[in-house]
Amino acid sequence: GENVEQHPSTLSVQEGDSAVIKCTYSDSASNYFPWYKQELGKGPQLIIDIRSNVGEKKDQRIAVTLNKTAKHFSLHITETQPEDSAVYFCAASVQGTDKLIFGTGTRLQVFP
Amino acid sequence: GAVVSQHPSRVICKSGTSVKIECRSLDFQATTMFWYRQFPKQSLMLMATSNEGSKATYEQGVEKDKFLINHASLTLSTLTVTSAHPEDSSFYICSAPQGTGNTIYFGEGSWLTVV
Repeated sequence: GENVEQHPSTLSVQEGDSAVIKCTYSDSASNYFPWYKQELGKGPQLIIDIRSNVGEKKDQRIAVTLNKTAKHFSLHITETQPEDSAVYFCAASVQGTDKLIFGTGTRLQVFP
Repeated sequence: GAVVSQHPSRVICKSGTSVKIECRSLDFQATTMFWYRQFPKQSLMLMATSNEGSKATYEQGVEKDKFLINHASLTLSTLTVTSAHPEDSSFYICSAPQGTGNTIYFGEGSWLTVV
C-alpha cells in the first residue's frame, strides 16, 4: 500500500532562518498532498496543500514544492518565528479516494 | 474558523464500558468522513472510512465490532468504542473533505482515557 516517508524527524532553527521538511511517497496515483501543523493536544491544522497538476504553491511564508517524477514534495517555511514551533505532518492521498496516509512527522523548534 | 468539530474533546471511561465520539461537518455536507487514531508522539493512523447511508469500511487490523461507526446524516459521523480497555486510550481524530477540490480538514480531536 501507500507509504509516506518524512525527514527530518526533528529540526531546530534560529528565529528568522528557513526550515525545510521533505517527504517521499510510493503511490504514483496520489494526487493530493496536504501539510498539517499539529500543536500539543490539538487536531492537525491544514497549512497548505498542493495537487498533482501544480509544481509549486506559496502562501506568505509557507511554500510547498512537488516533484511527481521523483515522487517527493517539500515544505518550506521562511522567516521562522517561535510560534511556528510544532509538529508538522505531510500526507498523500490514496488513489481515487480522500483517504490520507501520513508521514511520521517533524518536530520543529524555533529558538528566539 | 473550524470546519470540522468533534465532541467530546476529552472523556474518561471505565474499562468495559462504551464511549461515543461525535464528528460534525460545519456548514457543509460530507458523504464521507474518516477516523484516525494517534498515540503520543506518533503519526496519525487511518482506522476507517465513514460512509453516509452505508457501512463503514475499516482498515486492515481495525476491529469493526470494537470500533462502531455510524454516519447517520450528511453532517454527523459517530465512533463508538465498545467494551473499552486501557489500551484503547488514545487521541481520536476525524476528518472530512470540503469543497469542490475536496480539501481535507480535521477536527480538534478527542482524548480518550480508559481507566
